[in-house]
Amino acid sequence: NAGVTQTPKFQVLKTGQSMTLQCAQDMNHNSMYWYRQDPGMGLRLIYYSASEGTTDKGEVPNGYNVSRLNKREFSLRLESAAPSQTSVYFCASNSHQPQHFGDGTRLSIL
Amino acid sequence: AQKVTQAQTEISVVEKEDVTLDCVYETRDTTYYLFWYKQPPSGELVFLIRRNSFDEQNEISGRYSWNFQKSTSSFNFTITASQVVDSAVYFCALSEASSGAGSYQLTFGKGTKLSVIP
Repeated sequence: NAGVTQTPKFQVLKTGQSMTLQCAQDMNHNSMYWYRQDPGMGLRLIYYSASEGTTDKGEVPNGYNVSRLNKREFSLRLESAAPSQTSVYFCASNSHQPQHFGDGTRLSIL
Repeated sequence: AQKVTQAQTEISVVEKEDVTLDCVYETRDTTYYLFWYKQPPSGELVFLIRRNSFDEQNEISGRYSWNFQKSTSSFNFTITASQVVDSAVYFCALSEASSGAGSYQLTFGKGTKLSVIP
């Protein structure tokens, strides 16, 4: 039972580098989400995809782009990484409640 | 706009004590869902419970219980006879039924870090 799989688990980037975080789910869910978790801030929604072929901004979309490649995969791209994007990134999916989360990607921008 | 407030940033209790984690929410929707998630030190998010706005019945699951009160917009979580393994960050979250076609966006509180001391 893989559930929601995120790759990589850890990554260190230099300011200005680009990076794509990958997320795949094997539960045939319609909706997928990207959140970031910062200390003391809880999880905040970056982007979501309600269904294959659609994406929408969440609470904190600036500096990010997403692609819903197919029903299984939803990627998050940082075009020019900034230190403020140092965070733990979680992908989630669902068709109904609740959302199922991946184990997270810990990203550090130096 | 929806909002979730977890006023307790950190709580420490001695093992076997009972502890209640508070959650207060704001929403304009009449249909919504409330959740609790647990994040142990290993970092993953573990779903604990979901409640919809039409179901105010309290729930008990083993040592865990939840008290949902629409009149005070609260959804509190109690752990009875706490154990060291309960040490984690606990998040309360809200999803409005109108949050988007086919999606159920979650708004999280900032979390409460629970430390259970042996």
